[in-house]
Amino acid sequence: GAVVSQHPSRVICKSGTSVKIECRSLDFQATTMFWYRQFPKQSLMLMATSNEGSKATYEQGVEKDKFLINHASLTLSTLTVTSAHPEDSSFYICSARDSGGGYEQYFGPGTRLTVT
Amino acid sequence: AQSVTQLGSHVSVSEGALVLLRCNYSSSVPPYLFWYVQYPNQGLQLLLKYTSAATLVKGINGFEAEFKKSETSFHLTKPSAHMSDAAEYFCAGLQGAQKLVFGQGTRLTINP
Repeated sequence: GAVVSQHPSRVICKSGTSVKIECRSLDFQATTMFWYRQFPKQSLMLMATSNEGSKATYEQGVEKDKFLINHASLTLSTLTVTSAHPEDSSFYICSARDSGGGYEQYFGPGTRLTVT
Repeated sequence: AQSVTQLGSHVSVSEGALVLLRCNYSSSVPPYLFWYVQYPNQGLQLLLKYTSAATLVKGINGFEAEFKKSETSFHLTKPSAHMSDAAEYFCAGLQGAQKLVFGQGTRLTINP
């Protein structure tokens, strides 16, 4: 149980284009989902908290107009990187909290974004 | 605010030896603490969690962790390391009601 999927697992895009990453909770409902960014050999950096049906809460320093988050259902959140630049290249990981469970977060497998 | 510190960015042990990964937390309230494991190019998998119940918590893959309030610690142990345990390990604490605060991570290497 408690499986979270992400799609795509890898994406390469050209500078200036937009990329959408999907995060789905497969066997539970998730009122709250989280988006993280991870640089090589570093810990996870929380980008934003996504609540179903409401606007996401972004961490300080994260551009909300660049990283668009939509949480339209209890099982799906999307992160769109708009006008991507090479410095946006990173490993993006989502997580979800079970609405009927505890405080732990269940993580997706991550998406490797490369902007050329 | 909760903060989590992992002592040692890299730990190396021999196969069959004891694994000890250190984590200290900083919190003025009873914490919720977690250990996650990350294999290369993958997401994080929950190993175990502490939620103010038993102080010795058993997790998956033979790992366990002991919550010690007097030492503000939540160290992760495994009696006998296996080659498949080689990975990055993250300790995390709950901040507020939702956010997880992660330690810096510890890379575990297993020597044959």
